[in-house]
Amino acid sequence: ELKVEQNPLFLSMQEGKNYTIYCNYSTTSDRLYWYRQDPGKSLESLFVLLSNGAVKQEGRLMASLDTKARLSTLHITAAVHDLSATYFCAVDPHKLVGGGSQGNLIFGKGTKLSVKP
Amino acid sequence: GAGVSQSPRYKVAKRGQDVALRCDPISGHVSLFWYQQALGQGPEFLTYFQNEAQLDKSGLPSDRFFAERPEGSVSTLKIQRTQQEDSAVYLCASSPTDRVTEAFFGQGTRLTVV
Repeated sequence: ELKVEQNPLFLSMQEGKNYTIYCNYSTTSDRLYWYRQDPGKSLESLFVLLSNGAVKQEGRLMASLDTKARLSTLHITAAVHDLSATYFCAVDPHKLVGGGSQGNLIFGKGTKLSVKP
Repeated sequence: GAGVSQSPRYKVAKRGQDVALRCDPISGHVSLFWYQQALGQGPEFLTYFQNEAQLDKSGLPSDRFFAERPEGSVSTLKIQRTQQEDSAVYLCASSPTDRVTEAFFGQGTRLTVV
């Protein structure tokens, strides 16, 4: 059974600090996604990582993927209050011929981030 | 509308009642996905449509759950004889291709079974 584990599940940070959220998964996959979810809101796609060694950055967030270690990280630099949300990683365990996907993403439980002044 | 629209946003059902949840995908999107998100958990896959064809329903938890997309656009998730463990947020997503990498999620329907 494919498992996706995030840690920590809860994270309280002070503004200006740095921190990393970890996402471990238990099966071979080279497709990993990071989403953000605000309370009562939809899932917002942050990053799509499609190969070993992929690194993507957007503002104060940077995501990386190590498929050999089955590990992705989401690094937060100089946190601000607006980053407070729940962050999910998700793994795509399927690959059709040609690289398509059938949408059976396996999500972690999420990391609830609270950034305090 | 510009995004994926789900209705109702909130639904309270008495145990044993049947419910129907609607998803209006982004116009022209080929693929449509349903996920179930229990409180404090990550979303769990329910089913996937490509146009009107239901290509994967492996995540539907029981035969009380049924989804359809008869004309390849709007989709309905139906739950018969609801039980308390069905209480969750039901998320719909659509994608212009067969790839979930390009999917956009709706705001969800929060179902509470009492």
